Amino acid sequence: AQSVTQLDSHVSVSEGTPVLLRCNYSSSYSPSLFWYVQHPNKGLQLLLKYTSAATLVKGINGFEAEFKKSETSFHLTKPSAHMSDAAEYFCVVSDNYGQNFVFGPGTRLSVLP
Amino acid sequence: GAVVSQHPSRVICKSGTSVKIECRSLDFQATTMFWYRQFPKQSLMLMATSNEGSKATYEQGVEKDKFLINHASLTLSTLTVTSAHPEDSSFYICSARGIGTEAFFGQGTRLTVV
Repeated sequence: AQSVTQLDSHVSVSEGTPVLLRCNYSSSYSPSLFWYVQHPNKGLQLLLKYTSAATLVKGINGFEAEFKKSETSFHLTKPSAHMSDAAEYFCVVSDNYGQNFVFGPGTRLSVLP
Repeated sequence: GAVVSQHPSRVICKSGTSVKIECRSLDFQATTMFWYRQFPKQSLMLMATSNEGSKATYEQGVEKDKFLINHASLTLSTLTVTSAHPEDSSFYICSARGIGTEAFFGQGTRLTVV
């Protein structure tokens, strides 16, 4: 069985400051991990994915995430927040590549001017 | 990346009517498609998984007679909400996966039943 925990339901940062969105997972297999972003009333956009290659994964829009097996974590970071980053972020775990997606509860990111 | 097109993006229907939502994979053959439902301010919940040419597998608690899923071709799956009621109002999202590929998500459909 797999599960995902996103420790913060809401994160608020000032524009230009770093972003940290936390994600912990549990999986019986070597997991694939994803971060998706959802803007209001929009579908999901893939930010980045980890599939057992490099543990530090770079994604779109300056986001990156580091897979830490010992901590079962896959936290999402960005050095400098932009107003357009305000959205809902979902951490997702799957077994095998792209199968049986399990979504975390989501973290809403607010960016203050 | 691969493109999954979902149509319509928004639909408003009267209570008691049926609504069909289409999910198309535009540039790959989708052997498996997934349908999710998202309530306001909540995460996505998997409703059903469909493999091309076979019956969909529904998650526990999802009424298969209420949410009809058809996956008759490698590029198209449809979700029909039958006899829709206001409590069916939600955001529905599909995703599609080919052999050896990750899953790609559609843009979602906002269903409002009045």
